Amino acid sequence: QKEVEQNSGPLSVPEGAIASLNCTYSDRGSQSFFWYRQYSGKSPELIMFIYSNGDKEDGRFTAQLNKASQYVSLLIRDSQPSDSATYLCAVNMYGGSSASKIIFGSGTRLSIRP
Amino acid sequence: GAGVSQSPSNKVTEKGKDVELRCDPISGHTALYWYRQSLGQGLEFLIYFQGNSAPDKSGLPSDRFSAERTGGSVSTLTIQRTQQEDSAVYLCASSQENTGELFFGEGSRLTVL
Repeated sequence: QKEVEQNSGPLSVPEGAIASLNCTYSDRGSQSFFWYRQYSGKSPELIMFIYSNGDKEDGRFTAQLNKASQYVSLLIRDSQPSDSATYLCAVNMYGGSSASKIIFGSGTRLSIRP
Repeated sequence: GAGVSQSPSNKVTEKGKDVELRCDPISGHTALYWYRQSLGQGLEFLIYFQGNSAPDKSGLPSDRFSAERTGGSVSTLTIQRTQQEDSAVYLCASSQENTGELFFGEGSRLTVL
């Protein structure tokens, strides 16, 4: 079982709709969770992080965390063509106050069609 | 510096040669990470440093791979006796100690002929 799993896609969503991206993780002790966006040929950039169960909103983005189900999701409202990218889920495996191993899923390719 | 700096940006080498990839993290960031990304794939964890120490080296693919960090700053990833399957983009990222929010460099693209 992979430590962090994502559907590779591609996920095609019409412009203006909600895009829903999902991620599951294997280690129940994981403490913090991240969503990165990666445009083709570029490096990943952080768009959201979430530490507690529930929802966290930032503009058009909402991250959702359910530790009991070991599930993280990212919702993108009012999808724009510029949102077309690969979205990577990342999990901090050990938590605590020091830096620790951060594992990435294989990413979901999102395509917003006009 | 303002961002994470990696060099070289591109490296073409012959099978069997050694290569060194360098990463200069954001000033003040104590944590430094190396990942490998093959074409169309996700990020494969290689190693991370907390200061100059590497608590987890489990991601290094083989004993041909090694990494060090000196002065809590610059890190070097060394690949000895390169193989064609080592061809990939090697990404370095840094973060403040306890945030886990990674800032990535532009990567070093390695091609082994």
